[in-house]
Parts: sequence; C-alpha cells; structure tokens
Amino acid sequence: TQLLEQSPQFLSIQEGENLTVYCNSSSVFSSLQWYRQEPGEGPVLLVTVVTGGEVKKLKRLTFQFGDARKDSSLHITAAQPGDTGLYLCAGGSSNTGKLIFGQGTTLQVKP
Amino acid sequence: GAGVSQSPSNKVTEKGKDVELRCDPISGHTALYWYRQSLGQGLEFLIYFQGNSAPDKSGLPSDRFSAERTGGSVSTLTIQRTQQEDSAVYLCASSRLAGSYNSPLHFGNGTRLTVT
Repeated sequence: TQLLEQSPQFLSIQEGENLTVYCNSSSVFSSLQWYRQEPGEGPVLLVTVVTGGEVKKLKRLTFQFGDARKDSSLHITAAQPGDTGLYLCAGGSSNTGKLIFGQGTTLQVKP
Repeated sequence: GAGVSQSPSNKVTEKGKDVELRCDPISGHTALYWYRQSLGQGLEFLIYFQGNSAPDKSGLPSDRFSAERTGGSVSTLTIQRTQQEDSAVYLCASSRLAGSYNSPLHFGNGTRLTVT
C-alpha cells in the first residue's frame, strides 16, 4: 500500500518567517502534486513535479521532488497571513489513475 | 466555465438511513474521483472512474458504500445504513484523464455529511 507522510502536521508561525513542509514515502511516484485547501472549499492545485530532483518556484513557494521520486518538500519564504491553509501533497503513478494524498499540514501565519 | 458541482452541500441524517451524494464533473473530464476528509485531515481515497468504469474501488470502506457513474458524467456515491463514523466531508474531483500528470484534479466544495 502506498502511503505519503507529511510533516509537520501543524505549523503556527509569525508573518515574515520561513518554513518547510515535507512529504515522504517508501514508494516511488511518477508525479507529485501539491494542493492548498481553504476552509469550506476543495483543494486547489499549486504545482506538479515529475522529474527526480526537479525544483519549481511559484513566487515565494519553492517545490522540490527528491532524486528518487519518493519525497518532496515545499518551502515558503517570508510567509504571509494569506498563506494560511491546509497544504496537501499527492502522489500519482503512471500505470494507475489513483492519486493518494498525505494527511496534510495545517499552516497558520499570524500577522 | 463551470467547475465541479456537488450536492447537497450539507446533509444531516439519522443513523441507519441511506444517503446519496451527487457529483457533476467538469464537462469533458473523463476521470472522476471520490475522497473522504475528516476535519482538518488529509484526503482518504475511495474510488475513481475512467469513463463509466471504476478501475480502482479499493478505498471503499465497506459494502455499505457504492458508487456509480452514468453517461461518463454524473456520479452518485451511496452510503447504506449510515453509521456515525461515516460523518465527514465527501469530496469529488474530476480531471481530463486519469493517471496523467498534466491532468490535475479539480475539486468540488464537498458534501458535509453528519450522521446523528
């Protein structure tokens, strides 16, 4: 069974601080996606990484896919209150349509 | 254009009753997914459809849960003889093609089910 472990599960920081969220598995994934979810809404895609070692930047967010395609990280620079939400990683396999999610990281950024 | 639509948005039911949750995917999306989410937690995979077929229904918790999709469009998730542990938000998502990394999931806002 493929599992994705996210850490930390909860993070409360002050505006302007940096943070990193980790997503780890013992399984290899063909792609890794990061989603952000706000209360009362469904998750919204932030980025997809496909190649081992790949790094993608989205403004203050930096996403990295591990060389072995088993893990990923999300780094936020100078966090802002608008970054508050639930961050979810999701792993996909090319030979199945199934997409599995980690348990999420709840981020709270205080002004 | 229209996004994924789920109905009802909230459902309160008594233990032992059956419920039906509906999902209208984005037009043209061939893949449709059902997930369950407990408060503040991650998404638990239930089932996915490619067209009207369900290649993977391994996440359905018990035989009380079933899902169908007709016409490659609307899907219904049915829970029979509901139990209190079924209380959660049920999320539906669609994508252009299952298993393609460049076909991200588009989620509805979910149905919040409360079993009393």
